[in-house]
Amino acid sequence: EPEVTQTPSHQVTQMGQEVILRCVPISNHLYFYWYRQILGQKVEFLVSFYNNEISEKSEIFDDQFSVERPDGSNFTLKIRSTKLEDSAMYFCASGVQGFGTDTQYFGPGTRLTVL
Amino acid sequence: DAKTTQPPSMDCAEGRAANLPCNHSTISGNEYVYWYRQIHSQGPQYIIHGLKNNETNEMASLIITEDRKSSTLILPHATLRDTAVYYCIVTPPGTYKYIFGTGTRLKVLA
Repeated sequence: EPEVTQTPSHQVTQMGQEVILRCVPISNHLYFYWYRQILGQKVEFLVSFYNNEISEKSEIFDDQFSVERPDGSNFTLKIRSTKLEDSAMYFCASGVQGFGTDTQYFGPGTRLTVL
Repeated sequence: DAKTTQPPSMDCAEGRAANLPCNHSTISGNEYVYWYRQIHSQGPQYIIHGLKNNETNEMASLIITEDRKSSTLILPHATLRDTAVYYCIVTPPGTYKYIFGTGTRLKVLA
């Protein structure tokens, strides 16, 4: 069964450093998402992406964040200058929208630890 | 904020049916109800979704009331591996983002 994959599973970085989190969505999916979950808190939407454009973003997704689909298979989330509060699990999801709905399939997540 | 409310926790005996309720009283006519679960800190796992009719798949059944203001996820024969946080999600109109609430923490007891 096809699944979303994410790398790395765990990333440790120093405050102020740039990180890139990588995702390989399910191959025939066209809609891509990033969510995050701070330890012990809710899963929060960050951004949705379709046709090489951001469709929607949350207040969390400020200028420090960017997304890219550099080739036909990868979908990346870049954090330019990490802060301590960026420490969280980051989940990528992909889906095939249709008829006003989209079932999203989530990857296993990348645990980001900012020191 | 999430458009759904769920009990914070439930217990279920192994082998019995787990019935997880969700209230979505402000749902509009074209909004779907989705159910996901999260085991520990893993990625949310899709379970089932529906619009009006009851739905069943290999994992679970979804019962949606006629007025669509509430639904129940049924795991017919719960196992220890079903211990997880279960989320009921209604996608706001005009958007495909999911707004997660705090979900129901289901503990399946041996």
